[in-house]
Amino acid sequence: AQSVTQPDIHITVSEGASLELRCNYSYGATPYLFWYVQSPGQGLQLLLKYFSGDTLVQGIKGFEAEFKRSQSSFNLRKPSVHWSDAAEYFCAVGALGNNFNKFYFGSGTKLNVKP
Amino acid sequence: GAVVSQHPSRVICKSGTSVKIECRSLDFQATTMFWYRQFPKQSLMLMATSNEGSKATYEQGVEKDKFLINHASLTLSTLTVTSAHPEDSSFYICSAVTLGGGDTQYFGPGTRLTVL
Repeated sequence: AQSVTQPDIHITVSEGASLELRCNYSYGATPYLFWYVQSPGQGLQLLLKYFSGDTLVQGIKGFEAEFKRSQSSFNLRKPSVHWSDAAEYFCAVGALGNNFNKFYFGSGTKLNVKP
Repeated sequence: GAVVSQHPSRVICKSGTSVKIECRSLDFQATTMFWYRQFPKQSLMLMATSNEGSKATYEQGVEKDKFLINHASLTLSTLTVTSAHPEDSSFYICSAVTLGGGDTQYFGPGTRLTVL
């Protein structure tokens, strides 16, 4: 069965510091992997996605993520966090079927940014 | 591009009434839309998959008679919460997949439902 684990519920970093949010997945085939960000009361915005090819993917807002098959991980990183990055981040795995993907989401990691 | 809207953004209703939430793809056609429910401080739980012109597919444990889904066109899906009760209060989010094949879901801003 497909599942996504985000082991960190809350993370606090100082503005300008680097960031890494962890994501581990369980999926029987090659996964489609996504990171979304959700600001309070808002929907989800796609940060980046991985389907195949280069395992290091670049996204919007300076984020990147690395797919590591051996570790079943897809961790999100940013070298220097800005106060506007404070939000909740969700990792998702897409299960391909019937010409669309059914998504399974992790429980989310809430990021706080200290000034 | 790939903008999804939801209406209303916030609704408060009395217990026993029905509430309709609209999900629209504004600049693309969507053969498939998804409806999620998000409880406070929790992740999104898929409720159902909505395909244009056919019946929705509900996830296990979701009452199809309570959460009525209609996908009448390639740009509109509606979720009706029938005979709403306080436990139905939640944040409902829809997403859409572009026509011709979906490997990315585009999400609406969500609808906050409060049932008194």
